[in-house]
This record gives sequence, structure tokens and C-alpha cells, in this order.
Amino acid sequence: GEDVEQSLFLSVREGDSSVINCTYTDSSSTYLYWYKQEPGAGLQLLTYIFSNMDMKQDQRLTVLLNKKDKHLSLRIADTQTGDSAIYFCAEKDVKWGGFKTIFGAGTRLFVKA
Amino acid sequence: ETGVTQTPRHLVMGMTNKKSLKCEQHLGHNAMYWYKQSAKKPLELMFVYNFKEQTENNSVPSRFSPECPNSSHLFLHLHTLQPEDSALYLCASSQDVGGPGANVLTFGAGSRLTVL
Repeated sequence: GEDVEQSLFLSVREGDSSVINCTYTDSSSTYLYWYKQEPGAGLQLLTYIFSNMDMKQDQRLTVLLNKKDKHLSLRIADTQTGDSAIYFCAEKDVKWGGFKTIFGAGTRLFVKA
Repeated sequence: ETGVTQTPRHLVMGMTNKKSLKCEQHLGHNAMYWYKQSAKKPLELMFVYNFKEQTENNSVPSRFSPECPNSSHLFLHLHTLQPEDSALYLCASSQDVGGPGANVLTFGAGSRLTVL
């Protein structure tokens, strides 16, 4: 199947770390992505990781990939109220000679001041 | 401005109406997409166009009809919709479809559709 699953809600206090988790089913995925959607806006790419990597760090963001368990996580250090948004996990599906990006349902992050 | 512009931002229509959603990008991308976003559901890929040719139709009902006159413009024509079609319709573009690269999508802000 083409499932990407993630929990729907996460609430953290300002200054704490947030960890958003995602599982996927397609073992042939080459790229995995995190997109962010702020209120009233479309999705915006936050970061992506190639499947031969275990970790990628970009300022406050750390992406961890466990290919064996098909598990992807996004850690946001020192979470700020401006980080409140919906975070989408996605994978690049390369089956059927073509390509499409498969998204999860999104995790809504609430940051309490 | 994200580089992908969608109009209208909000649309309310009756089940017997015919309306269209428009998407425009000036990023020089060759692939354009329609996604449907419903609450608590995965983002649903509807249509993919690569170099103006439709490469994916993800079992979408015929009451949704896409049109891609050129690589910069994408339309979604709507006809005799149902209330369950109410959702946020997102347009996206990317450099192209396929290939070994990361193929990052650039999204518009979406068109919020309400079917009465």
C-alpha cells in the first residue's frame, strides 16, 4: 500500500523540543519529506532526507530516518509559538515507472506559551 | 507569495453549478498537480500533468475535470459536485515528474470549496 501515517495532534510548551513521528509502508521510497502548513497557506517544504541517510540536521530541525522500521521523525528544538502549524510527512513513490508524492494526514502542532 | 497562485481563494457553489478553479505558476516548472485536502485525512493526489500531458488520474470522479493548456496554467473544472467534495483544493508544481532528484513541490495557498 501507499500509506503514510502520523498522529494528528501534538502539544508542547514554548522552549521545549517537539518530536513529530511518521511511519510509511513503501520500502522503495528514495526521498522522505517534511512539509509545513501555516493557517491559510499551502504546504511549504521544510526539509527532506535521502533514503541512504540516517540523520539530517538543519538549524533547529533534526530529521531521523530508520529504514528498517520505516520510521521518520522531525525534531524541532526550542519550539516557538511561530512553529504552530500542521506538519506533513511525505514519501517519494517511484512505482509504476512514474513518480508521485504521498502525504500523510498531517500533525497539528500546538505550542503553548 | 509562493510563486504558485490559486484563484478563487474561496468558492461556494450549489450541486448543480459549474465552476472552475485556476492555478498559475511562473517558476519555470514543467509539472503541475491537484491535491485535495480534507480534515484528518491524508492529502489526496488527484491529477498530475507533466509537460502539459496528464500522467496521473488517481481514480477521480468525472465531475472533476482538469485542463492544462500550458505548463504555467492548470484548471480544475467542477460540475454537479456533492457536499462531500467540500475541501481545500491545493495546486502544486515541480521542476518535472520522475527522475532521480528530490522533486520538491511548491504549493499554492489553496481554494476552499464549499458545496451546498
